[in-house]
Amino acid sequence: AQSVSQHNHHVILSEAASLELGCNYSYGGTVNLFWYVQYPGQHLQLLLKYFSGDPLVKGIKGFEAEFIKSKFSFNLRKPSVQWSDTAEYFCAVTLAGNMLTFGGGTRLMVKP
Amino acid sequence: GAGVSQSPSNKVTEKGKDVELRCDPISGHTALYWYRQRLGQGLEFLIYFQGNSAPDKSGLPSDRFSAERTGESVSTLTIQRTQQEDSAVYLCASRLTSGTPTYEQYFGPGTRLTVT
Repeated sequence: AQSVSQHNHHVILSEAASLELGCNYSYGGTVNLFWYVQYPGQHLQLLLKYFSGDPLVKGIKGFEAEFIKSKFSFNLRKPSVQWSDTAEYFCAVTLAGNMLTFGGGTRLMVKP
Repeated sequence: GAGVSQSPSNKVTEKGKDVELRCDPISGHTALYWYRQRLGQGLEFLIYFQGNSAPDKSGLPSDRFSAERTGESVSTLTIQRTQQEDSAVYLCASRLTSGTPTYEQYFGPGTRLTVT
């Protein structure tokens, strides 16, 4: 069965710092990869997704992620975080539209 | 347009009681998923409905859990004889399956279940 690992459970950064959240998955076949974000008191919403093509994908709010197939990784990055990025971030994998397998989440706190 | 809605938003129940949670997917979304998020943990898949196909129940943790879906609309998740470990946020998601596949799931606000 596939699994997803997020190595950082809690991250605290100051505004303008750069962010990188790690995500590794275990499945060796063709996968679709996602990052979801949950802002305090809000729904889970899609940040970005990778299906095929350019392994560097750009999402909303200045986030991007790079799919490195050889490393089974899909790390999330943002060059300069803002206080409003404080949220919980989830990496997820799906095989052709079946259920999402989520990582354990990373709580990001950005200090103003 | 309207997103995925869930009701109730909060439910407190006594151990041993049955509860029913409801999900209204986005209109036209034929795929519907239930997930559970226990405190401090990631989301766990519970069950998946796709059109008229038999649901994928592989994530249901015990036979106390069941779910139904009426056609391609409302779904209900039922937990019988609730236990304290059932306390969690139950999330529903739906997905459009026609046209160019995007595999993106749209999530509802969740139902926070507390079993006392």
